This record gives sequence, structure tokens and C-alpha cells, in this order.
Amino acid sequence: EIVLTQSPGTLSLSPGERATLSCRASQSVSSSYLAWYQQKPGQAPRLLIYGASSRATGIPDRFSGSGSGTDFTLTISRLEPEDFAVYYCQQYGSSPPDTFGQGTKLEIK
Amino acid sequence: EVQLVQSGAEVKKPGESLKISCKGSGYSFTSYWIGWVRQMPGKGLEWMGIIYPGDSDTRYSPSFQGQVTISADKSISTAYLQWSSLKASDTAMYYCARLMHPGGGATSDAFDIWGQGTMVTVSS
Repeated sequence: EIVLTQSPGTLSLSPGERATLSCRASQSVSSSYLAWYQQKPGQAPRLLIYGASSRATGIPDRFSGSGSGTDFTLTISRLEPEDFAVYYCQQYGSSPPDTFGQGTKLEIK
Repeated sequence: EVQLVQSGAEVKKPGESLKISCKGSGYSFTSYWIGWVRQMPGKGLEWMGIIYPGDSDTRYSPSFQGQVTISADKSISTAYLQWSSLKASDTAMYYCARLMHPGGGATSDAFDIWGQGTMVTVSS
């Protein structure tokens, strides 16, 4: 089972700043099958990025994903107030079970 | 509109049984895998298992194998997650979610559509 480690645990930034979130896998994620989700309090997660770098339907272009192998990054170019949330990465490149990272909380500074 | 609608919150006692549901609409329910994800209070997401409603092929995470049963009734476009004997440690929010791409062959995929969640509380 692939273990995903996200860093930092908490990221404190101001609106308008750039956010960089990291997700590191314990072994290579095949075919860059890595997704990112956003979860706000009291809500279900929302798919942002799949295939490491493809934006899901309706996701603003300030969200971008990159990486391959064991190191992946979610970048939010200019933070909007509604972007402050918890972000999870998920790998789905191997046979089930797929696994999630422990999450990064993006909070307002 | 493509959506998954889950059954309401449950409060149960240890040892009781429970079956929660997830009804799909707006798409071909039998063509997409449906998964279940657990989120314990204040914690992260855990992948529990998936089912392909077209033929009821089911895969479980080793962590949840034998602890829960995933099933589906394609005639009413509904997937289920059930417990035969609940424990306090089953207290959590449970989400169903759809795997992004259709077809029975791809068992690993991102979840593109999520239900609103069902809160299960187990307490004596």
C-alpha cells in the first residue's frame, strides 16, 4: 500500500499570495494517477485535480497540479478567500486500495 | 444533474446493525464504480472499498475487509454500506463517491462526484 505524506500540515497565508502544497509518495505512483481534493468545513470533498495536472470540471485556473513519480505539488497562484480549506492528495495508480494523504490545512494568516 | 444523495444521519448503540444508502441520478448508474470513504471526527479521508453496480464486483481495503459490506441494487440506482455489529470506533462521516471514468475494468480512479455524507454515531 502506497503511503502519501503531505506537507506542511498547516499553511498560513494571506489572500492574494501563492500557495504551494506538497504530496510525497512512499513509492512511485504509476502513470501519475494522483488527485487533489478540497474540503471545506461541513462539506464533502471536491475534486480539483486528477492525473496529477488536469483540472476537474469547473475548477478555476488558479489551481494547478504538477509532479510525477513520488513528488507532487498543488499550486494556488493567487489565493481567494474561498480557497482556505483542507486539501488532500490521493493516489489511484495501483490496485485497490487507493490511499489519501493526511491533509494540509490552508488557513488565513 | 449528476448527483449522489445519501441517507440521513444515524444514532446507534454498540452491537446494532446498520445499512446506509447512496442513490445516484443523472447518469448511467450501472456504468461507474461507486466507492465509500470514511472520515472520523477531525481526521482525514480513508478509502474503504468500491462496487461496480453493473455486476456487483466489489473490492475492499484490507483495513475494512470483514468489517463492512458494500452492496448495490441497480434496479433503484442505489449503493449500500452496512455493518452487522457496530462499534463505537465506527463513529464517523461516511461518503459515497463516483469513480470518474466509466467501465468495469478500471478499479482505480479519482472520485469526481460525492454524496453529501452520512454521519453515523455509535454510542451506548
